[in-house]
Amino acid sequence: DTGVSQNPRHKITKRGQNVTFRCDPISEHNRLYWYRQTLGQGPEFLTYFQNEAQLEKSRLLSDRFSAERPKGSFSTLEIQRTEQGDSAMYLCASSLAYIDTQYFGPGTRLTVL
Amino acid sequence: AQKVTQAQTEISVVEKEDVTLDCVYETRDTTYYLFWYKQPPSGELVFLIRRNSFDEQNEISGRYSWNFQKSTSSFNFTITASQVVDSAVYFCALSVETSGSRLTFGEGTQLTVNP
Repeated sequence: DTGVSQNPRHKITKRGQNVTFRCDPISEHNRLYWYRQTLGQGPEFLTYFQNEAQLEKSRLLSDRFSAERPKGSFSTLEIQRTEQGDSAMYLCASSLAYIDTQYFGPGTRLTVL
Repeated sequence: AQKVTQAQTEISVVEKEDVTLDCVYETRDTTYYLFWYKQPPSGELVFLIRRNSFDEQNEISGRYSWNFQKSTSSFNFTITASQVVDSAVYFCALSVETSGSRLTFGEGTQLTVNP
């Protein structure tokens, strides 16, 4: 029984470049969440999916951010025209249903130079 | 809006000491869920426990125990006979159905257990 996986684990990019992260949830989990965590802080909610439908986006998610979950399986989070303020750990979590426990992946650490 | 406060930023203890991590939450919802997660240096958040608002029974799991008190809006976590492997950042979190069950986290408590 595999857990949530995220790729890549680390990404270093130059300001202005586009980056894309992938999250593979636990098999059969309907809900998928993205969070962002900066140094010394707790994770902050970005967006979530119920199957393939994106149901909510946080105000933290500017127009440069877009997330998809085609076919309700894996999800991608893209950041366009990265800025130094985007440097953070991006965490993905999945749950079986809307009130169930969320299980987290190892995260993708983004560094924008 | 939901809020979680973990007033202790850092705690340092010597191995075998007992330690309690505090968590205070705020919500106007009557149905809610409380969680504790552990984040070791590797970075992955590890689920420890979940309680719902209708179940105030305290829980014990090995060296871990949790005290849920609705009267004081607190959900504290105690580690008995701490070990070096317990060193990590611990997060308390809250979710409510009316907010899509997203998690609202506290700022975390860095626990260091020294040998």
